[in-house]
Amino acid sequence: SQTIHQWPATLVQPVGSPLSLECTVEGTSNPNLYWYRQAAGRGLQLLFYSVGIGQISSEVPQNLSASRPQDRQFILSSKKLLLSDSGFYLCAWSAPGSMNTEAFFGQGTRLTVV
Amino acid sequence: GENVEQHPSTLSVQEGDSAVIKCTYSDSASNYFPWYKQELGKRPQLIIDIRSNVGEKKDQRIAVTLNKTAKHFSLHITETQPEDSAVYFCAPKGGFQKLVFGTGTRLLVSP
Repeated sequence: SQTIHQWPATLVQPVGSPLSLECTVEGTSNPNLYWYRQAAGRGLQLLFYSVGIGQISSEVPQNLSASRPQDRQFILSSKKLLLSDSGFYLCAWSAPGSMNTEAFFGQGTRLTVV
Repeated sequence: GENVEQHPSTLSVQEGDSAVIKCTYSDSASNYFPWYKQELGKRPQLIIDIRSNVGEKKDQRIAVTLNKTAKHFSLHITETQPEDSAVYFCAPKGGFQKLVFGTGTRLLVSP
């Protein structure tokens, strides 16, 4: 069966510090991978998505970046965090290609920038 | 996919009442229409979905109806219970690989 791991669960970082959130998927090949951010009480904002190794599409301008160094690994990074980067970050995967099926989410990372 | 809106943004009902949430989308290529439930502090999880060759699907107290011509689909919850309180998201998907969620609807069921 497929599983998705996302860590850490919570993170408190000072303004200006770097960020690295990691997400890995097991039990499937060539998944579509997504990073979302959710502000408190708000919706799911799509940040990045990837349909294959090294292929990253960015949805919003920001000081974040994403990388997919391996087929089932998706990393969200920042060189210098801003206060406005605080939020709940969710990684998700779905079946590859044109197969439109359910998206599965990681447990999420609650990031607080102080 | 693409532009996805939900209405209402907040819905308060009494336990036992029905609740209906509507999702409108712009991408005419959409062919998969899921609804996700997100409880407080947790990850969204699929509760029901429908494909474009079906007009309605029911699973116990929840149902989804689709109007592809008008580009909207709705979530129906009957006999609501306090544990139905959550935020609900639609996420219509078509040919594009990106997955865009609706604006979300906060449902509050009062005992």
